[in-house]
Amino acid sequence: DFVMTQSPDSLAVSLGERATINCKSSQSVLYSPDNKNYLAWYQQKPGQPPKLLIYWASTRESGVPDRFSGSGSGTDFTLTISSLQAEDVAVYYCQQYYTTSITFGQGTRLEIK
Amino acid sequence: QLQLQESGPGLVKPSETLSLTCTVSGDSISSSTYYWGWIRQPPGKGLDWIGSIYYSGSTYYNPSLKSRITISVDTSKNQFSLKLSSVTAADTAVYYCARHTVRAIGGGNYYLNWIDSWGQGTLVTVSS
Repeated sequence: DFVMTQSPDSLAVSLGERATINCKSSQSVLYSPDNKNYLAWYQQKPGQPPKLLIYWASTRESGVPDRFSGSGSGTDFTLTISSLQAEDVAVYYCQQYYTTSITFGQGTRLEIK
Repeated sequence: QLQLQESGPGLVKPSETLSLTCTVSGDSISSSTYYWGWIRQPPGKGLDWIGSIYYSGSTYYNPSLKSRITISVDTSKNQFSLKLSSVTAADTAVYYCARHTVRAIGGGNYYLNWIDSWGQGTLVTVSS
């Protein structure tokens, strides 16, 4: 089983400051033949379904603001919001798609300090 | 514009079968570049992938739920459906239908990638 563990569980950041969310996979999600990391990030606001932010660990989905960026490789990944906006308050999830049984992290709740 | 809409009973009794349907509009479910899936979220908790289906009927299921789930597709109605048997209170959740991008692995087969579209979700409560 691929277990995805996010840290921290919750985070409070001041407006305009940087927010960093981590995701660790129990096994590598880097596929050597294509050198791609099979990892995505989602944002879920209260009462809404999740929204895709990033795939291949660092490729932003169309329409996602460039203050959102993804990095990392192998088992350790980071979602960074460079300058937190009020509308970024949400729960963020990572997801691996390396295996046919996709799994999500437990989520990180991001709030305004 | 793609829309996915879940429908089905909001209340199911313990030991019975939960049945939900997702109606897809704005895209053909017979598209060769997507799988169609179900994900659930217990109240106040995280996301749990249930399973996904290709228009041909090929499926991937969460191993922890596999013995209880059946996902089917009806291309004529542009719908796909979920049945979850022998439900308990632990199956109470918001159930989302969604669209997966895929990657080809040869032989006309595909693996799941990320989820690029979600329905709004429907709350199903298991209670007598």
